[in-house]
Amino acid sequence: GENVGLHLPTLSVQEGDNSIINCAYSNSASDYFIWYKQESGKGPQFIIDIRSNMDKRQGQRVTVLLNKTVKHLSLQIAATQPGDSAVYFCAENITPNNAGNMLTFGGGTRLMVKP
Amino acid sequence: ETGVTQSPTHLIKTRGQQVTLRCSSQSGHNTVSWYQQALGQGPQFIFQYYREEENGRGNFPPRFSGLQFPNYSSELNVNALELDDSALYLCASSSFDSGTETQYFGPGTRLLVL
Repeated sequence: GENVGLHLPTLSVQEGDNSIINCAYSNSASDYFIWYKQESGKGPQFIIDIRSNMDKRQGQRVTVLLNKTVKHLSLQIAATQPGDSAVYFCAENITPNNAGNMLTFGGGTRLMVKP
Repeated sequence: ETGVTQSPTHLIKTRGQQVTLRCSSQSGHNTVSWYQQALGQGPQFIFQYYREEENGRGNFPPRFSGLQFPNYSSELNVNALELDDSALYLCASSSFDSGTETQYFGPGTRLLVL
């Protein structure tokens, strides 16, 4: 399959450890944030989202934290598994001029899980 | 699987040609957004279609155009192809009316311009 992230920052973790992936966003007007996982040769897959009126949201094995003061998002993955190996993108949702909603993606982080 | 499908999966074109890419949205979704993803980068927003009208556009030239059909499927057309148009083209479907803007992506079409 194709290599999605040739020159992305890489986080390497041991299977079973927790992973933390960080992301800085740019627009203080963004009201909705999403984390996507992208495996080689596939489209981005929704993981978890959070609205700007929250600072934490939990899913199954994943937690997203939002710090609006410093415009920072993080994704925490508990008990990381080999199937978690992928490129992870944060995206901020912007509604310019109340017309449509566009996602602006961060640069991505490659997560590699060592067995 | 998201239920969003795209065709074709891969395509090779030469500079100056025109290309049409297709997307079928998830059942119940009325909004389709298109993104371009260059190798090693995050997706870049091209435009969004809602109820057959363009509903927002990113920083792409007019030779990138689109359509949405009554069944909410969509096409992306690119005229006068350039080498830099080589990328993965992603469509994402969502339901703009529902108050949840979550966009679900298809597998993409890999376009190579020679």
